[in-house]
Order: sequence, then C-alpha cells, then structure tokens
Amino acid sequence: GIQVEQSPPDLILQEGANSTLRCNFSDSVNNLQWFHQNPWGQLINLFYIPSGTKQNGRLSATTVATERYSLLYISSSQTTDSGVYFCAVVDGGSQGNLIFGKGTKLSVKP
Amino acid sequence: NAGVMQNPRHLVRRRGQEARLRCSPMKGHSHVYWYRQLPEEGLKFMVYLQKENIIDESGMPKERFSAEFPKEGPSILRIQQVVRGDSAAYFCASSPGINSPLHFGNGTRLTVT
Repeated sequence: GIQVEQSPPDLILQEGANSTLRCNFSDSVNNLQWFHQNPWGQLINLFYIPSGTKQNGRLSATTVATERYSLLYISSSQTTDSGVYFCAVVDGGSQGNLIFGKGTKLSVKP
Repeated sequence: NAGVMQNPRHLVRRRGQEARLRCSPMKGHSHVYWYRQLPEEGLKFMVYLQKENIIDESGMPKERFSAEFPKEGPSILRIQQVVRGDSAAYFCASSPGINSPLHFGNGTRLTVT
C-alpha cells in the first residue's frame, strides 16, 4: 500500500517563528488532506489539497503531486498552534479511505 | 450544518463487556469511515461504509469487531468482549462521495478496565 512519511517528527518553536512541515507519499493520490490534532484530541481540517497551493490566514499548503510531496507552512506561530499535524492521502487505486502519516508534533513556546 | 457527531465522548467498559460507538455523519454525507488511534500514534483505517453496505473492511480485526450503517440512524461500531488492548480513541469521518474531503468527529475515547 501507499506509504506516507512526515518530517520532522518533532518540532519546537518560539512564538512568532515560521515553520515548514513536509509530507512525502510513495504513489499517486486522489486526495490529500492536512489536519491539526489539538491537545484535546480534536481533529481539525486544515486543507483539502490534492494539488496546487492554498492559503488560510497564517497557514498555507502546497502539493506537488507529480513529485509526490506536500508542504504545510505555518507563519508567525502562536502557542495555540501546538499539537500534532497529520498529512493523509487517498491512493489512486483505493475506495476512498485516508491513509495517515505518523504526524509532526509541534510545540510553540511563549 | 452540524458536523460529524460521535457519542459517547468517553466510554469505560470492563473486560468482556460490549462497546457500542455511534456516529451520525454530516447532513448530505452518505460515506462513513471509522479510524482507531492508539496513544502517541497516527490514525489507522478500520472500515468504510455507505448506507447499508460495507465497502472496505480491510482494517477491521477479524474477530469481535463489526460495523454497520443502516438505512435509518447512525453508523455503529461494535466491539464485543472488549480487552485492554481495545483502549483507544475511535474516530468517525464522513464525506459526500469519493475524492471529497473527509470530515472527522471528535472521537470516542474507550477505556477498558
């Protein structure tokens, strides 16, 4: 099956810093989503981005499907950005279920 | 438009009991997915259902676990004779169709004592 690798596994930032999270996948995908799991365990939809670039406030994402990677940018980080960021994909041959990476655990210090 | 609703939020069961987890998809969504998250791990796919049909159950344990999505009412994930290793967060997601974004509920935290 398709493999999803996220890097870095852990990231510690000072408030106000910028960061880039990476997601590599091993095969063609029909769907790619980024999620934020907050410290209370809730999964928040960030982006649905099988290709191209999107922006939402301080967050933006880019997926280059032909090169099999996606990037999530966080600018001017805040303590509320802390949590785990997951990339998840639906491979081209599947029925639609998302395959998750192991996540990047982000801690933003005040 | 209400999001994906899961209940209960927390469920405690003794070993050997049954656990029933419920999921009501977003309005207009006919595709439901169940995932399990063990502590400090990512989400693992369990089962994908459409109304009255199981489409993909490749992630479901072969024994004790079952899922349904009846014509009327919520989707149910049922775990019979729970063991301590079943303790996890169980998330439900829904979508309006294939190649559409999945929307997740807040999960049910199952603790087996």
